[in-house]
Amino acid sequence: QKEVEQDPGPLSVPEGAIVSLNCTYSNSAFQYFMWYRQYSRKGPELLMYTYSSGNKEDGRFTAQVDKSSKYISLFIRDSQPSDSATYLCAAFTGGGNKLTFGTGTQLKVEL
Amino acid sequence: NAGVTQTPKFQVLKTGQSMTLQCAQDMNHNSMYWYRQDPGMGLRLIYYSASEGTTDKGEVPNGYNVSRLNKREFSLRLESAAPSQTSVYFCASLGGLNYNEQFFGPGTRLTVL
Repeated sequence: QKEVEQDPGPLSVPEGAIVSLNCTYSNSAFQYFMWYRQYSRKGPELLMYTYSSGNKEDGRFTAQVDKSSKYISLFIRDSQPSDSATYLCAAFTGGGNKLTFGTGTQLKVEL
Repeated sequence: NAGVTQTPKFQVLKTGQSMTLQCAQDMNHNSMYWYRQDPGMGLRLIYYSASEGTTDKGEVPNGYNVSRLNKREFSLRLESAAPSQTSVYFCASLGGLNYNEQFFGPGTRLTVL
């Protein structure tokens, strides 16, 4: 079992829809949770970063972490065609440890 | 991909050849990582380095070696390339007050024939 699990999709939504992307994890020691966006043929870029449980909002993006259920979510409001990309969740224990990724969810926002 | 550079961007090797992928970061981060990305497999960790002089195996280390030459540089070496090592390789660095600074390089597309 992978430490971070993510539905690979693909997920297709109309422009303006609310998108919900989710991951689960198994390692209780994870303290830092991240979402990355990766456009085709590019490196991943950090989109959202959360420490421990709770919500974090940045513009149209909201990240949620529920440590009790080991569940990580990313919500995108008013989705745009420019949001079409692969979204990867990741988790980290801190210190000099490894950063563990989910497999990524491919999102397409259609006009 | 500000701050993390990778060379080369593209490479074609024959089976059995060797090569070194170079990675450098200028953000004074302690932690650096090498990942490979294959369709449907996500990012898989090959090796990582928590600080200068230390390296640790990740999920898929077989067939690779690494060197953390100094704080800036973290290289990945394929001693005897195999077709199964055809992939896109990404280097990343992590640091900041609460590990909130994370950057990936642009990637190296490697084909082994």
